[in-house]
Amino acid sequence: RKEVEQDPGPFNVPEGATVAFNCTYSNSASQSFFWYRQDCRKEPKLLMSVYSSGNEDGRFTAQLNRASQYISLLIRDSKLSDSATYLCVVNGGGGANNLFFGTGTRLTVIP
Amino acid sequence: GAVVSQHPSRVICKSGTSVKIECRSLDFQATTMFWYRQFPKKSLMLMATSNEGSKATYEQGVEKDKFLINHASLTLSTLTVTSAHPEDSSFYICSARAETGGTDTQYFGPGTRLTVL
Repeated sequence: RKEVEQDPGPFNVPEGATVAFNCTYSNSASQSFFWYRQDCRKEPKLLMSVYSSGNEDGRFTAQLNRASQYISLLIRDSKLSDSATYLCVVNGGGGANNLFFGTGTRLTVIP
Repeated sequence: GAVVSQHPSRVICKSGTSVKIECRSLDFQATTMFWYRQFPKKSLMLMATSNEGSKATYEQGVEKDKFLINHASLTLSTLTVTSAHPEDSSFYICSARAETGGTDTQYFGPGTRLTVL
């Protein structure tokens, strides 16, 4: 079983739409969770960390459900510039530094 | 935010040659750096963890004699792909671990695209 699983998409949504991505992780000892954004042929860039209480950054909201080992990302009022691949990332757990990446969910925002 | 650079950004080489990739943390010290590889339409896969002043820790299935890692200073780690073959063609990305405000974050370099002919 993969450490991190995501729906690869693609998600094609119109501008202004709200879109949600989900992710599950297998290691119950994981402590840190992140969403990264990766543009085509570029390196991943940290979008936001995910906290137990949930957190919001502008149009982006992240949620964590430890009991279900489930992470979500909600994007409101989608912009064309949001088109990218969104990577769910989980640390190795047990104090490990290693990050495990999901395969990513591809989003295309259509004019 | 923290900045990590990689050099070169792109390299094309003949089969059998060795290629060295540098990863630098520009505005912070990183005792730990990580090397990843990403094949087209696949997720990043951790190859090894590079620790300043000590030997790298390799992930299962990654040959340490083929992918030589040196972390000689707190701001520089190098990955050398020895005797490269076409199947080594990939996008190699490094990251550096930074501790900011009590939280560990990894910052990624821009990646190196390796093509072995």
